[in-house]
Amino acid sequence: EIVLTQSPGTLSLSPGERATLSCRASQSVSDNYLAWYQQKPGQAPRLLIYGASNRATGIPDRFSGSGSGTAFTLTISRLEPEDFAVYYCQQYGNSPAYSFGQGTKLEIK
Amino acid sequence: QLQLQESGPGLVKPSETLSLTCSVSGYSINNGYYWGWIRQPPGKGLEWIGNLHHSGGSYYNPSVKSRVTMSLDTSKNEFSLEVRSVTAADTAVYYCARQSLSMRDFDYWGQGVLVTVSS
Repeated sequence: EIVLTQSPGTLSLSPGERATLSCRASQSVSDNYLAWYQQKPGQAPRLLIYGASNRATGIPDRFSGSGSGTAFTLTISRLEPEDFAVYYCQQYGNSPAYSFGQGTKLEIK
Repeated sequence: QLQLQESGPGLVKPSETLSLTCSVSGYSINNGYYWGWIRQPPGKGLEWIGNLHHSGGSYYNPSVKSRVTMSLDTSKNEFSLEVRSVTAADTAVYYCARQSLSMRDFDYWGQGVLVTVSS
């Protein structure tokens, strides 16, 4: 079973700053089957990044993903007010076939 | 435009069966992709429940596999979830989602439906 651990649990930043969110896997994630989602209160998650580094349709270029193997990063280059939310990583691989990290809450400082 | 909409009872009694349906519009569920269910207990993170493909393949999270059945109805363009013998631990917002065949990400989600297990 692959366990995804996200850090930090909470990140306090100001609009305009750069955000760096980490997702570490307990085993290597094959073929970079790693995605990132944004979730705002009362809403469904929204796909941001797939395949570790590919932006989903309509996602602004201030969002970028990187990493491979067991270490992945989501970077938001300049925070906009609408970016404050909870972010989850998700992998496809060993049983269970799909798992999510516990989430990082990005809050306004 | 692709849209998914969950429907079903918001309250289920312990030991009974939770049944939800996801209606898909703007895309045929026969045209590839996996179709899945994810749940989120109040104030907690996301848990994958299972997914299925129109060709007949289905995959379930081992944590719920013994209690879950998923099915597709291509004539209605919808898919369904049943969770048997529910307990309070099954209380959650349940989401249906489309899942890509290539990178296995969930690219379209329904708005979610809260199901509470309580007597």
